[in-house]
Amino acid sequence: DIVMTQSPDSLAVSLGERATINCKSSQSVLYSSNNKNYLAWYQQKPGQPPKLLIYWASTRESGVPDRFSGSGSGTDFTLTISSLQAEDVAVYYCQQYYTTPMCSFGQGTKLEIK
Amino acid sequence: EVQLLESGGGLVQPGGSLRLSCVASGFTFSSYAMTWVRQAPGKGLEWVSGIGGSGTSTYYADSVKGRFTISRDNSKNTLYLQMNSLRAEDTAVYYCAKPDSGSFYGYWGQGTLVTVSS
Repeated sequence: DIVMTQSPDSLAVSLGERATINCKSSQSVLYSSNNKNYLAWYQQKPGQPPKLLIYWASTRESGVPDRFSGSGSGTDFTLTISSLQAEDVAVYYCQQYYTTPMCSFGQGTKLEIK
Repeated sequence: EVQLLESGGGLVQPGGSLRLSCVASGFTFSSYAMTWVRQAPGKGLEWVSGIGGSGTSTYYADSVKGRFTISRDNSKNTLYLQMNSLRAEDTAVYYCAKPDSGSFYGYWGQGTLVTVSS
């Protein structure tokens, strides 16, 4: 099983500042045949289902603001919010789907306003 | 517009059974695999089970294998999760989700709460 570990567990950032969330997988999620990283990021607000932000590690889902970006390869990945807005307060999860159709999620990172 | 609507949650005693349903619309249901993901109160996301578009291929997390059964009725655009031998640790909001090309989930239902308690 691939274990996903996020850091930090919680994060407080001032409005307009950069927020960075890290995700590490216990084994590589880079599929050599297509050179794609099987890694996604989700945002979840209280009482709502998760919302897909990023897939293939760095491809932004349609409609997601460009202040959200994903980077990394292999086992180490980062979600960056370039300029934090009040509406970005949420819990963020990374997900590996290398083991598709099964998958696993990180434990979540709670993002708050400082 | 893709819509997923779960139902069937509720309060059940340990050892009991429950069947969840997810009615899908806005896409050709039979062409897509579907999945169930759960979230215990105040906890993270856990993949539970998945099924191929035809229904012949099914997959389960170790935590539910042998107790839960996923199925689908493509004529009714409906996904099911039959949950037997329920335990307190199965208490969660259960979401159905539609995977995209790489098994990341662009569409989620609003979830249905299952509470296992005496």
